[in-house]
Amino acid sequence: AQSVTQLGSHVSVSEGALVLLRCNYSSSVPPYLFWYVQYPNQGLQLLLKYTSAATLVKGINGFEAEFKKSETSFHLTKPSAHMSDAAEYFCAVSDRDDMRFGAGTRLTVKP
Amino acid sequence: DAGITQSPRHKVTETGTPVTLRCHQTENHRYMYWYRQDPGHGLRLIHYSYGVKDTDKGEVSDGYSVSRSKTEDFLLTLESATSSQTSVYFCAISFTGQYTGELFFGEGSRLTVL
Repeated sequence: AQSVTQLGSHVSVSEGALVLLRCNYSSSVPPYLFWYVQYPNQGLQLLLKYTSAATLVKGINGFEAEFKKSETSFHLTKPSAHMSDAAEYFCAVSDRDDMRFGAGTRLTVKP
Repeated sequence: DAGITQSPRHKVTETGTPVTLRCHQTENHRYMYWYRQDPGHGLRLIHYSYGVKDTDKGEVSDGYSVSRSKTEDFLLTLESATSSQTSVYFCAISFTGQYTGELFFGEGSRLTVL
């Protein structure tokens, strides 16, 4: 069965610093990969998705992620953190018949 | 805005009582899902539906049942609530099915079972 591992349940960065949220997956078929963001008391919203086109995927709010097949990774980055980026982030993997979510990473942005 | 409404948004109940959560969508999408969110587990699929009266089990379906008698409504029922079912429940819809596209989530229903 496919699975997702998000390294680090909590990440703290200073405003303006690089954001790096790590996601590793396992899948027996070429995967679809997603990053979702959840703000307090809200549902999840799609940040970006990889669907076997370009390996570098750009999403909303300045986030991007790179699919690295050799490393089975799909890490999320943003060059400069903003206070409004504070939220919980979930990586998800799909093999078309099933989707699995990671446990989530809570991002704190310090002024 | 995918037009998803969940009700109730908050509920406190006692062990052994039945609970029904409702998910309503306004756009007649075929695919609907119920997830539960727990710390350290992310989201886990409870049940899903691919059409009226067409439903199937997800990863954590024990203790839950669902019904979909109309395209717009997907109900999740806990026949006899237990404390382990204390969680935040999210309904989601998909335009494409097969988990290849975006899931659109409701705002969640927080259930506390005492």
